[in-house]
This record gives sequence, C-alpha cells and structure tokens, in this order.
Amino acid sequence: KQEVTQIPAALSVPEGENLVLNCSFTDSAIYNLQWFRQDPGKGLTSLLLIQSSQREQTSGRLNASLDKSSGRSTLYIAASQPGDSATYLCAVTITGANSKLTFGKGITLSVRP
Amino acid sequence: DGGITQSPKYLFRKEGQNVTLSCEQNLNHDAMYWYRQDPGQGLRLIYYSQIVNDFQKGDIAEGYSVSREKKESFPLTVTSAQKNPTAFYLCASARNGGLPTLADTQYFGPGTRLTVL
Repeated sequence: KQEVTQIPAALSVPEGENLVLNCSFTDSAIYNLQWFRQDPGKGLTSLLLIQSSQREQTSGRLNASLDKSSGRSTLYIAASQPGDSATYLCAVTITGANSKLTFGKGITLSVRP
Repeated sequence: DGGITQSPKYLFRKEGQNVTLSCEQNLNHDAMYWYRQDPGQGLRLIYYSQIVNDFQKGDIAEGYSVSREKKESFPLTVTSAQKNPTAFYLCASARNGGLPTLADTQYFGPGTRLTVL
C-alpha cells in the first residue's frame, strides 16, 4: 500500500529565507505527484504537478522536483514571505489507480515577518 | 465563474441523524471525489465517481453513501452508521477520471465542516 510521508509536520522560518519541504513515498509506481496548498479552514489549491517522466516543475518562486527511484520529492520556496504561511500537502497518483490521490499529512509552514 | 461549490460551509448534526453535503461543479469534469480531513490525519478518500451513474468506494466508505445522477453534482450523505462523523469534508473534481492524463489535477471545493452535537 502506498504511503506518503511529510516530515517535519510544522516549520517556522524568518521572512526571506529559501526553504525546502520534503515528501517521500513508498511505491515508485506513480503516475504523477502534486503539491497542494491549504489555508486554514479552506480547500486545497494545486501548486505544481509533476508527471512521472519529468524531474521538476517551476511556477514563480516555487520549484518542485521528483526522484521516482528514491521515492522523494521536494518543494523549494524561494525568498519566503508571510503570505506563504499555510499547510503544504504532497499527493501521488498511483499507476492504474484511476486518478485516486494518496496524500501525505502535510507540513504547516509559518513565515515570520 | 467556473469552479466547485460546497454547501453548507458549517453543518451541525445530532446523533442518529443523516445529513447530506452538497457538491456542485461547472467545470464539465467527469470525475468527482469526496475526502475527509481530520487534524493530523491528512485527507482520506471516502467515495469517488469517474462517470455519471457510477461510483466506487474509497478507503473509508463505511457509514457514507453517495449518488451521481448528474455530471455536475455528487452529494454525500453521512448516515447514523458513521460513528465519528465530526470532520472537515472536501469535494474535488478532475477532467478525466479514467487513466490519468497530462496535467490532470484535481480541483477542490472550499469544504464543509460537520460537527456532531
């Protein structure tokens, strides 16, 4: 059974710092991996989607990488801002699983002014 | 505006009652999903539907029921058989519920917070 792990559960950094959020998964037979953002009491917003054949995706200050063989993904946030404070969730789509997502528990990020 | 709507935003239920959570999308997506989110637990899949008039159980379907009579709508009923229903419920949709296609991400609604009194 696919398991997705995100450690640590919470992270606090000063504004302006570059930071990396980690995600690991146990089964490398994935179709894609997604990073989502969730603000308190809100739904999820998709940030980046990486297909299994890709190694990274970039959007603005965000860069996500994927290493299928090692079962790892990282979300890099450059020049962090207080507005980046949220919970970041990683999710994988398992090959042949009809688009079902398996989520990690998320990392709650706090960026201090 | 295109998107997914969920109602109500907050819902209170007495023990022994069934309640229905609404999820509507106007994105013309084939697939729709229901997730439950508990503190420290991440999201868990309850039910999903890849096409109208068809749906499958997810990982935690016991105590829940769904219907998919219209492409735009995927209501979730929390029955009295669900022993611990207090949670945040999220609905999502995706363009293609079959084999994943390029850039086939799931789009989420704003959620419904259900509390059992």
